[in-house]
Amino acid sequence: GDSVTQMEGPVTLSEEAFLTINCTYTATGYPSLFWYVQYPGEGLQLLLKATKADDKGSNKGFEATYRKETTSFHLEKGSVQVSDSAVYFCALSDHDYKLSFGAGTTVTVRA
Amino acid sequence: DTGVSQDPRHKITKRGQNVTFRCDPISEHNRLYWYRQTLGQGPEFLTYFQNEAQLEKSRLLSDRFSAERPKGSFSTLEIQRTEQGDSAMYLCASSAGAVNEKLFFGSGTQLSVL
Repeated sequence: GDSVTQMEGPVTLSEEAFLTINCTYTATGYPSLFWYVQYPGEGLQLLLKATKADDKGSNKGFEATYRKETTSFHLEKGSVQVSDSAVYFCALSDHDYKLSFGAGTTVTVRA
Repeated sequence: DTGVSQDPRHKITKRGQNVTFRCDPISEHNRLYWYRQTLGQGPEFLTYFQNEAQLEKSRLLSDRFSAERPKGSFSTLEIQRTEQGDSAMYLCASSAGAVNEKLFFGSGTQLSVL
């Protein structure tokens, strides 16, 4: 079945550091790919998405590119802030109604 | 837009008891989803509704679980004869229903079965 594997955490960084969270997927079809984020005390919210190969999703300084050849969707941000501290989830959807999530990566940014 | 709300935020129950959770989606959203999340894992799909119709149920949803969305608005998730393995965060989400539409999640109901 469809599955997502993402980099284990926790990840601790200093402000202004570069962040990468690796995500690879297994799917039988041509899924859409997502990054969701959960800030402390809040519900999951969509960070960015890409619906076909070579698409780049971007939001709040984060980017991820849908790489079909490597079945990857790595999340990157060039300069993190303390406010980026959260749990990040990679997810895929092979149907338009069901998401399969990775285990999540906890990111802590220190001032 | 007040977002997706879930009630209660926390529920502690004894093994064997029944529990019911409520989800109020964003008012114009016709799709509603239930997910379950255990510690250190991502959310797992349980079921979803298009308006009042329950269109898919995961194999994770045993016979002890039942979900309803009687008028296509709020939804309830009931767990009968709870077991310790049911302890988890139960998340509700809604969407307007377009393809690849983003899901709006509630803050969840944390269930602890003693």
